[in-house]
Amino acid sequence: KAGVTQTPRYLIKTRGQQVTLSCSPISGHRSVSWYQQTPGQGLQFLFEYFSETQRNKGNFPGRFSGRQFSNSRSEMNVSTLELGDSALYLCASSLTGGVTEAFFGQGTRLTVV
Amino acid sequence: GNSVTQMEGPVTLSEEAFLTINCTYTATGYPSLFWYVQYPGEGLQLLLKATKADDKGSNKGFEATYRKETTSFHLEKGSVQVSDSAVYFCALSGAGSGGGADGLTFGKGTHLIIQP
Repeated sequence: KAGVTQTPRYLIKTRGQQVTLSCSPISGHRSVSWYQQTPGQGLQFLFEYFSETQRNKGNFPGRFSGRQFSNSRSEMNVSTLELGDSALYLCASSLTGGVTEAFFGQGTRLTVV
Repeated sequence: GNSVTQMEGPVTLSEEAFLTINCTYTATGYPSLFWYVQYPGEGLQLLLKATKADDKGSNKGFEATYRKETTSFHLEKGSVQVSDSAVYFCALSGAGSGGGADGLTFGKGTHLIIQP
């Protein structure tokens, strides 16, 4: 069965712009989580959506937001981009979240210039 | 809060050597523990997991045992190959009572380099 699909794979944006990243989970999975990966901070949890509701949020500013649609696809939005937002953004899907196994996409590499 | 500590490396070994990557954790409740592997330019792949104390996860020759008494989940492999070169992440999840909807907490990752 198809894995987790993230689009686009690469993105270059200018400071101050906004960006939207997309994640299509594995069919049947209702939980989608987002992570930011940087060399300095490692992997950090952004937020999780389950059945169209944000269930939990990590310690990121309000410029980072997301949503989930009825088909479980999720989008993540970052407004007013800063240089420090340059990172690999990873999406993970799982059946119900929590302790259930998470499957990761290949990520979207965002570069802010 | 939850945290995971692992050796960051790089760890350089010769092919067929024995591998141990240490991982210790701090968590409230009863977390599940995972090892993920990341190859260059790729996302994370689940390598193995353990959901309760004394469980042993295993996959592709890798093993890790959930040790509650020492809060550890060390990754081992008896004979590594060049193809095992990657970054390995220890992670925990689900320590809370609310279904663990607080995401995975990762260690910083260990870069493993296997030389032929």
